Amino acid sequence: DGGITQSPKYLFRKEGQNVTLSCEQNLNHDAMYWYRQDPGQGLRLIYYSQIVNDFQKGDIAEGYSVSREKKESFPLTVTSAQKNPTAFYLCASTWSIYSNQPQHFGDGTRLSIL
Amino acid sequence: EDQVTQSPEALRLQEGESSSLNCSYTVSGLRGLFWYRQDPGKGPEFLFTLYSAGEEKEKERLKATLTKKESFLHITAPKPEDSATYLCAVQARENSGGSNYKLTFGKGTLLTVNP
Repeated sequence: DGGITQSPKYLFRKEGQNVTLSCEQNLNHDAMYWYRQDPGQGLRLIYYSQIVNDFQKGDIAEGYSVSREKKESFPLTVTSAQKNPTAFYLCASTWSIYSNQPQHFGDGTRLSIL
Repeated sequence: EDQVTQSPEALRLQEGESSSLNCSYTVSGLRGLFWYRQDPGKGPEFLFTLYSAGEEKEKERLKATLTKKESFLHITAPKPEDSATYLCAVQARENSGGSNYKLTFGKGTLLTVNP
């Protein structure tokens, strides 16, 4: 089945530590996205990418970094500069960032602070 | 700035009691309005896309409608398995703020259907 796989499902970060969240898709989509979801708030865009080796900051990129070395993969690193990283992180993809087709989501990674 | 407001924040229904969820939006020009369902601890699951006022889409007990200012998600004779958070998102026609055709999400409506 085609879809988006996020791992791990749960992740814990220690003070001063960088952690990386994985996102892989086999939908052959060009566009990939990372969102952050906090209780009582709408999804907020962190980063997005249209092609390999190119990505753009979203609304809340500070304290995060991404890479896009393969079309299928778009990992997100939560750096120690992100002072409030506890949240539910969602990866999404669609055909193109210029498309009005729906984005499809993975099942998320919940990040907590130790 | 694009804005999406969903109401109510939470809705509790008895099984079989039909109702509607509202998504009011303000965008410079609508390219698409998307409805998603999200179960606890899961990612949003795509339900419908609406592109122009007057458009309607149906799937099982759900029907989505669109006007120039709002969208409704009508739930007919709901069952307990329809319990979830329903999210609405809009995509603007004009490229604004340097974020190409990004989605703006509402905060969601938490629907609980009791047996």
